Amino acid sequence: SQQGEEDPQALSIQEGENATMNCSYKTSINNLQWYRQNSGRGLVHLILIRSNEREKHSGRLRVTLDTSKKSSSLLITASRAADTASYFCATDGGSNYKLTFGKGTLLTVNP
Amino acid sequence: ETGVTQTPRHLVMGMTNKKSLKCEQHLGHNAMYWYKQSAKKPLELMFVYNFKEQTENNSVPSRFSPECPNSSHLFLHLHTLQPEDSALYLCASSQDQGRGPTDTQYFGPGTRLTVL
Repeated sequence: SQQGEEDPQALSIQEGENATMNCSYKTSINNLQWYRQNSGRGLVHLILIRSNEREKHSGRLRVTLDTSKKSSSLLITASRAADTASYFCATDGGSNYKLTFGKGTLLTVNP
Repeated sequence: ETGVTQTPRHLVMGMTNKKSLKCEQHLGHNAMYWYKQSAKKPLELMFVYNFKEQTENNSVPSRFSPECPNSSHLFLHLHTLQPEDSALYLCASSQDQGRGPTDTQYFGPGTRLTVL
């Protein structure tokens, strides 16, 4: 069954604004990862947050994890046109080698 | 993306053709994966290889046949495909630490497959 579910499905903002995407999941996890995909390309890993962590930063990215609500958020600050991409959350439910991906949020940053 | 390469990048084939997709990882990882990405659907895990052994086969039709001759190379052999198999096929690799949480996966650029 599908694990991660991103929200919103699509988001359009102006350059310089912040973008927030959310991910909800159903079962307990070991870690949650965020990936980015430019149109028709492979996925690029952005950040991994473990189940015992609540917040993590990487450059302009901030990820939070609330295991009680089974949700995570990805915040991109001071967005740029180059941030235009699809963003996916992926959860590790404990089975070896298996990440379960959501359908993604399509972010468009307008110059 | 340069750590994991995939060829060809685009492939058009008829339903009676036989073709193969190739993936190579230059990261020294011990696990490799095939995913299928169709429009409006979540990424679907197809096959997993760890230490060259297939550890996962997510009920994939037999017209898809994986091969992992060593820990750096992964193939997906295709035969008698259907138009609904048209999709982006992504290869990924990771360093498995043994039993425990799944770590970061590194993806190739994908092969865009069109079945006529």
